[in-house]
Order: sequence, then C-alpha cells, then structure tokens
Amino acid sequence: DQQVKQNSPSLSVQEGRISILNCDYTNSMFDYFLWYKKYPAEGPTFLISISSIKDKNEDGRFTVFLNKSAKHLSLHIVPSQPGDSAVYFCAATSSEIYGQNFVFGPGTRLSVLP
Amino acid sequence: DSGVTQTPKHLITATGQRVTLRCSPRSGDLSVYWYQQSLDQGLQFLIQYYNGEERAKGNILERFSAQQFPDLHSELNLSSLELGDSALYFCASSVDPPPSTEQFFGPGTRLTVL
Repeated sequence: DQQVKQNSPSLSVQEGRISILNCDYTNSMFDYFLWYKKYPAEGPTFLISISSIKDKNEDGRFTVFLNKSAKHLSLHIVPSQPGDSAVYFCAATSSEIYGQNFVFGPGTRLSVLP
Repeated sequence: DSGVTQTPKHLITATGQRVTLRCSPRSGDLSVYWYQQSLDQGLQFLIQYYNGEERAKGNILERFSAQQFPDLHSELNLSSLELGDSALYFCASSVDPPPSTEQFFGPGTRLTVL
C-alpha cells in the first residue's frame, strides 16, 4: 500500500514556464513533508519542506502548497530552467509516531526543454 | 557534495553471497539512515541508527543487518543475496532524528547480483 503517491512518472515543460509536480498521501497522521531532487549518479538533495501548520512555503523559484483536506501537495517551479531537469521525490512523515521515518513517493522525472 | 560518503560505488556479486556497504555520515551528524531504491521505484526506508543505537526499522529483510559504530560510521550487511536485491543503496545522515531535520544523502552504492 503506497502511502505517498506521485502519479505522474514524468513531466516535460518548456524553459521559462511553470512546472507543477504533484504528490498525494493517504496517512492522515503525516504532518511534515519534503521535496528532494535527484540527478543521475547522485544522491537526493533536499529542496524544500512544509509543515502541516502551513499551506504554503516559498524558497526562491520553488513553492510548495499543501492541501490537508485533500491530502495533496504540489511543488511549483517558476520559471523552470534546464538545470531543473531531474527526478523529484516527495516524502512525508509524522511527528506523532515515535520512530516514524520519511516515506518517499516513487518520483517524477522532470524534463525542462530549452 | 553532501558530506556523506559511501563505499564502494559499485558492487557486482553472485547470488548467495554476502556483501558489506559502508557509510560515513557528515561531521557532527548522529543519525544514519539506509534506503533501498530498486529500478523505477521510490526510496524504501530500511533502518535508522541514532548515536550507535537502532532507532527505527522499515522494510528490512531478515537477511539484511546494519550497525553504527562508535565513530558513527555505519555498515549495511546483505547476505544470501538474491537477484531481486540488485538496487541502489543510499545512506543518509542528519543531526537529529526526524521529523524536523532534512537528511543529507550519499551518492549511493549500486549493487548488482548476478
């Protein structure tokens, strides 16, 4: 049972346009979420996070939106750049469960076309 | 460079064999996490250590074991290897246990079981 889902395996966007990556979760106890970016032959690198007490967090070109009622979050990249081409993982965890670690989604491969 | 090192980078072995993967966390980080990423799958959490003690277990097989040593480096032991164990194995570290701290990932060890 996948607790964190990223239903789009891949996404192509033109350079300069907005990229929107989606993530859905099923566990209502999840209250902290992160996005990681992964280039080939490298480990994932942290991008941005959001706590369930917020519905939006912004860092430069990256904004994460959280809709708790829909159990949905999205990552917006504006404007998209070719260097953003990578696999993006959504991850979730619960601060209420001792020892709970991050549950990762399967990832979405973003291609930003010049 | 995340500061997390993993050795070896690549490992090719045969079914039934035993291998050891090594991870050195970032300086000052007390938590070490192990993840498995099979082809086109998300990151599956295996196990976490905090300051030498096991803190959380995920989907880790009984054939797999890990430990964190006094100098905080960690080893993941995989035995009686099967073809399905072929995957990327990532180690990550953080200062504190989750959920509030991002994890820094190493470059991974690619294990191929023939």
